[in-house]
Amino acid sequence: GAGVSQSPRYKVAKRGQDVALRCDPISGHVSLFWYQQALGQGPEFLTYFQNEAQLDKSGLPSDRFFAERPEGSVSTLKIQRTQQEDSAVYLCASSLEGGLNTGELFFGEGSRLTVL
Amino acid sequence: AQSVTQLGSHVSVSEGALVLLRCNYSSSVPPYLFWYVQYPNQGLQLLLKYTSAATLVKGINGFEAEFKKSETSFHLTKPSAHMSDAAEYFCAVRNSGTYKYIFGTGTRLKVLA
Repeated sequence: GAGVSQSPRYKVAKRGQDVALRCDPISGHVSLFWYQQALGQGPEFLTYFQNEAQLDKSGLPSDRFFAERPEGSVSTLKIQRTQQEDSAVYLCASSLEGGLNTGELFFGEGSRLTVL
Repeated sequence: AQSVTQLGSHVSVSEGALVLLRCNYSSSVPPYLFWYVQYPNQGLQLLLKYTSAATLVKGINGFEAEFKKSETSFHLTKPSAHMSDAAEYFCAVRNSGTYKYIFGTGTRLKVLA
């Protein structure tokens, strides 16, 4: 497809389970962002990649959260030992240019994680 | 710390009426400013952005926003609301020299027939 694709769209996990969320950005896009959106809130920044380099991970809430983009295209957000407070929609966005550009962010539809 | 405030989590307007969605930012220097829209079951889409060119910015679907430095505001307007404008709208800022886009909490627009 032409847009940003995220999978799974919905994930239910038991507390303590590990989960992996995948993002397929638009082909050729250099920048990739992960955001967390809790119910009734705006998206909160988690991390930023320029190609395969993770240039900013200041938003990751704990060391249970880990993101990678090994080949500069597909990215995976992994959450270990999930907690109820991790329940949220996880959004991936990509942008054509890298660096400190102000190009448009293209968002996926998100992965909704519910931790029981 | 940089922040974005959207006044009014829910706004209702009649079809054909003026739409005004408010956004204020806190930043020591004028940042880059954006409005995104999220329709049900869709990803966020860019409506318009301000990047230090003209202070009045025109976007898609008839929306526009004006950057007012003195008021630290970037309010979104549309002269005449359409039923299809019903969605959630997010204001976002990004300081030059940073990668992080900071989003407001959103305003859900309802358009009444």
